[in-house]
Amino acid sequence: NAGVTQTPKFQVLKTGQSMTLQCAQDMNHEYMSWYRQDPGMGLRLIHYSVGAGITDQGEVPNGYNVSRSTTEDFPLRLLSAAPSQTSVYFCASSYPSGGRPNNEQFFGPGTRLTVL
Amino acid sequence: AQSVTQLGSHVSVSEGALVLLRCNYSSSVPPYLFWYVQYPNQGLQLLLKYTSAATLVKGINGFEAEFKKSETSFHLTKPSAHMSDAAEYFCAVSGRDDKIIFGKGTRLHILP
Repeated sequence: NAGVTQTPKFQVLKTGQSMTLQCAQDMNHEYMSWYRQDPGMGLRLIHYSVGAGITDQGEVPNGYNVSRSTTEDFPLRLLSAAPSQTSVYFCASSYPSGGRPNNEQFFGPGTRLTVL
Repeated sequence: AQSVTQLGSHVSVSEGALVLLRCNYSSSVPPYLFWYVQYPNQGLQLLLKYTSAATLVKGINGFEAEFKKSETSFHLTKPSAHMSDAAEYFCAVSGRDDKIIFGKGTRLHILP
């Protein structure tokens, strides 16, 4: 199993450009999430999904869109990039049991995004 | 909504000394709690989790944490620090909804 994969590893954008960060997992996990990591801020939840066709907002959803058309894929779209979106983005997945997510989240290697 | 507070953004301990990383949580329902470790330029790896079974939870690499409901705490400890423990540590909570919220992290420095 490849686990959680993210592409690209690095990306530089100009202000106003749009792009999609890709995330895929091959573990048949229902729960997937996107976080951004900034120095001194820890990981902040952007969006999450409890299954195909179901997404919801996290702590910092503004400027980002997601969709979940399949169990495997959970892309994150930046609609109009801003310098404040310069960050490292992590995708994660897990297999929740008994309702609330209570299992280990498996993290991808991250995408380092710079917006000029 | 649930939240996590990690006391101390940086903690330094001598090699062989006790490691204590503090985590306090807020949740309107009995929480699920997690500790993750991040080594430089890597993703996060689960150290241990609490899901309402035993209050003392043992994890990988000799780490353990104790859930104390009265103190709303889930502090991470290791009896004897090793140089390889230098990393950033994150506490996380899963509460009423499906969100898993992380703290701001504590960077652990090991002094020779």
